[in-house]
Amino acid sequence: ETGVTQTPRHLVMGMTNKKSLKCEQHLGHNAMYWYKQSAKKPLELMFVYNFKEQTENNSVPSRFSPECPNSSHLFLHLHTLQPEDSALYLCASSPLTGGNYNSPLHFGNGTRLTVT
Amino acid sequence: GNSVTQMEGPVTLSEEAFLTINCTYTATGYPSLFWYVQYPGEGLQLLLKATKADDKGSNKGFEATYRKETTSFHLEKGSVQVSDSAVYFCALGTGNQFYFGTGTSLTVIP
Repeated sequence: ETGVTQTPRHLVMGMTNKKSLKCEQHLGHNAMYWYKQSAKKPLELMFVYNFKEQTENNSVPSRFSPECPNSSHLFLHLHTLQPEDSALYLCASSPLTGGNYNSPLHFGNGTRLTVT
Repeated sequence: GNSVTQMEGPVTLSEEAFLTINCTYTATGYPSLFWYVQYPGEGLQLLLKATKADDKGSNKGFEATYRKETTSFHLEKGSVQVSDSAVYFCALGTGNQFYFGTGTSLTVIP
């Protein structure tokens, strides 16, 4: 049990489908993140939410649409994806801290997405 | 800017061998440094951390020392086990932003 739960664990979707990834954290954190992990590439930050407000959108295509209804839940809505979007999508959370000190990120186990 | 560079893998070691995975960073300010581990089919788990210069993080026999003078945070373990086979990520955090290395795959053979 990581404290950060992602569903589904695996998802196969066609390019015309619409689906959503869900993330829930039970750690009382107030920052949540979406990362994309592709083979042989660095971890890519996609979105950051602090206290439900989006503070980072890392030039992500509009076919990815995040939603953060509260500090415990984060969604990633997917539509008209491309095969190159196939990857492991990781959700993470952390408490917000001041100054230069960063509390570590806590990750979920990810959703393995395959776009056909 | 902020970035992390870690040694390319894959690394293959025999059980009980000594492990070093190099990590260097560039950062503005004074970041926190982390090592994460990812086992197959799972997300990243925090392995250890250090929040200021000369701090040593340690966990499960792994150690890393925050060296400001060489901007490094190398991961070491004296005697690896088969169960240590995983991908290891070096990361830095500053201003609530996190920057990750590309990961180093470690395989330990009996």
